[in-house]
Amino acid sequence: AQSVTQLGSHVSVSEGALVLLRCNYSSSVPPYLFWYVQYPNQGLQLLLKYTSAATLVKGINGFEAEFKKSETSFHLTKPSAHMSDAAEYFCAVSDRSNTGKLIFGQGTTLQVKP
Amino acid sequence: DARVTQTPRDKVTEMGQEVTMRCQPILGHNTVFWYRQTMMQGLELLAYFRNRAPLDDSGMPKDRFSAEMPDATLATLKIQPSEPRDSAVYFCASGLGGDSNQPQHFGDGTRLSIL
Repeated sequence: AQSVTQLGSHVSVSEGALVLLRCNYSSSVPPYLFWYVQYPNQGLQLLLKYTSAATLVKGINGFEAEFKKSETSFHLTKPSAHMSDAAEYFCAVSDRSNTGKLIFGQGTTLQVKP
Repeated sequence: DARVTQTPRDKVTEMGQEVTMRCQPILGHNTVFWYRQTMMQGLELLAYFRNRAPLDDSGMPKDRFSAEMPDATLATLKIQPSEPRDSAVYFCASGLGGDSNQPQHFGDGTRLSIL
């Protein structure tokens, strides 16, 4: 069965610093992986997805993630944090059962300090 | 951009009352998901539909919750009777099911408070 673990429920960075949000997955088949962002009082918004093409995936708002099969990881990065990046971030893996169902991690809250 | 629309955005009601939440999926999407989000439990999948038929509602308390899709443009989630522990944000998402590399698209949620 597929599962996702996000390491660190809270991450705090200074404005302009590197953002690194960690996600490890478990999957018995080649995974499809997603990162979503949730701003306060809003729904989840897709940042990027990996579907077995390029291992480095670029998303919206300057975010990118690298799929590393050997490490079963799909960490999210951004070179320079903005105050507007403060939000909750969710990593998800498709259950590959053709239902469209996603298995979500517990989320990581990103705080950006001025 | 096409969006998933949820109504109402906020709902406050007393324990024991019936609550109905509505969702309009993105036109052309054939799969609809209902989630509940709380601080303690995070994001929980309650139920989902494909082509208006329920595929799985095992995440839903059966005695008080019910989910339906009267037509392709409307999904509903009902709670009767409501209890304080049902207080949460309820999200609807839609997608192109059957192809698991497709993302889900979320609405902005219904924030439910049961007093």
